[in-house]
Amino acid sequence: AQSVTQLGSHVSVSEGALVLLRCNYSSSVPPYLFWYVQYPNQGLQLLLKYTSAATLVKGINGFEAEFKKSETSFHLTKPSAHMSDAAEYFCAVSVYGGTSYGKLTFGQGTILTVHP
Amino acid sequence: NAGVTQTPKFQVLKTGQSMTLQCAQDMNHEYMSWYRQDPGMGLRLIHYSVGAGITDQGEVPNGYNVSRSTTEDFPLRLLSAAPSQTSVYFCASSSGTPGYTFGSGTRLTVV
Repeated sequence: AQSVTQLGSHVSVSEGALVLLRCNYSSSVPPYLFWYVQYPNQGLQLLLKYTSAATLVKGINGFEAEFKKSETSFHLTKPSAHMSDAAEYFCAVSVYGGTSYGKLTFGQGTILTVHP
Repeated sequence: NAGVTQTPKFQVLKTGQSMTLQCAQDMNHEYMSWYRQDPGMGLRLIHYSVGAGITDQGEVPNGYNVSRSTTEDFPLRLLSAAPSQTSVYFCASSSGTPGYTFGSGTRLTVV
């Protein structure tokens, strides 16, 4: 079985500051990892995904994440926050083997607030 | 190309009523899933399907029923609604390559 832990339910940054959202995972087989963003009263939009190719993954809106197997982490970063980045962010893991084939497991979510 | 379509967008039910949340996708995806989203708990898997005629339980299946008679449709049935089922429900689909496409959600309130 797989699991995801997002460290920090709320993160607050100033506009222009670095955004760092932390995600640690647990998986008994090689994982696929995802970051989704959810704006208020909307569905989930895929930001980026790791599928065992490059460990540094670039996504939309200037976000990127680095897969670190030794640390079982997949932290999301953006060099300079924008007001429009304010949203809730979810880290998720899936595996394509065994009985968990294709199932997504989500972290609890991190609400990002951006101050002017 | 509509993607994943969920209906209705909003619903209020009385305790004990039953209803069906509809989900349809037009991408010929094999994998479909239902999740519920509650504050501070992320999204939790209710049921999922790897193809027509094949379904399996997720993390929180009690009180919900699904069937998959076609590739396109994956309805979620609430058998006897309870206040604990007040939530936002998301349907998602995938072709089997990593990553899911999500619908816009159904906000359900049970009173």
